[in-house]
Amino acid sequence: QVQLVQSGAEVKKPGASVKVSCKASGYTFTDYYMHWVRQAPGQGPEWMGWINPNNGGAKYAQRFQGRVTMTRDTSLSTAYMELSRLTSDDTAVYYCARARLGIAASGQPFDYWGQGTLVTVSS
Amino acid sequence: DIQMTQSPSTLSASVGDRVTITCRASQSINSWLAWYQQKPGKAPKLLIYKASSLESGVPSRFSGSGSGTEFTLTISSLQPDDFATYYCQQYNSNSWTFGQGTKVEIK
Repeated sequence: QVQLVQSGAEVKKPGASVKVSCKASGYTFTDYYMHWVRQAPGQGPEWMGWINPNNGGAKYAQRFQGRVTMTRDTSLSTAYMELSRLTSDDTAVYYCARARLGIAASGQPFDYWGQGTLVTVSS
Repeated sequence: DIQMTQSPSTLSASVGDRVTITCRASQSINSWLAWYQQKPGKAPKLLIYKASSLESGVPSRFSGSGSGTEFTLTISSLQPDDFATYYCQQYNSNSWTFGQGTKVEIK
């Protein structure tokens, strides 16, 4: 069965960076785009970007350009999301989510999600 | 960016009620719309994709309709497990946007 297992909660100070991991199992990691979505307390989800695990290509939402980096390690079937220059507005639960159809398909919704990683930014 | 607006923000209903949630896009997204259910402390769960296609394993009391800029999610007979927050999501352009959510509460 498909599973996405994320790393544990983080507490960071303003100005720091955070790196969240997402380990995939139950399917061929390189066959599906992986997206990252965050959800601030009491808010709707917000899309951050995607990575193509096959070639490492990535696309980021404009508001995170220059501050987010998405990478992957195919040997570990793991995707990573690093967000820098953190502020209190970045306090949120961060999710990885798999695109519903394979790499060959264009924009898709998300059929499997990680359990979420709470990132708290506080001085 | 395409904006998604859901209504109502909160909905109070009883078990057995028919429930309808509306989602409007700021520009046409054809049928590239999904609906998710989210319970507290959990990740969203995909219910409907391409406006009206039911995801595998989702009960048939859930249905979606619409195209262009106006969409609806209908629950034909509300069950106790359905009390949750529902989000629409567009995936038309090479970006993805969610609505602000509709919380379905027990009346």
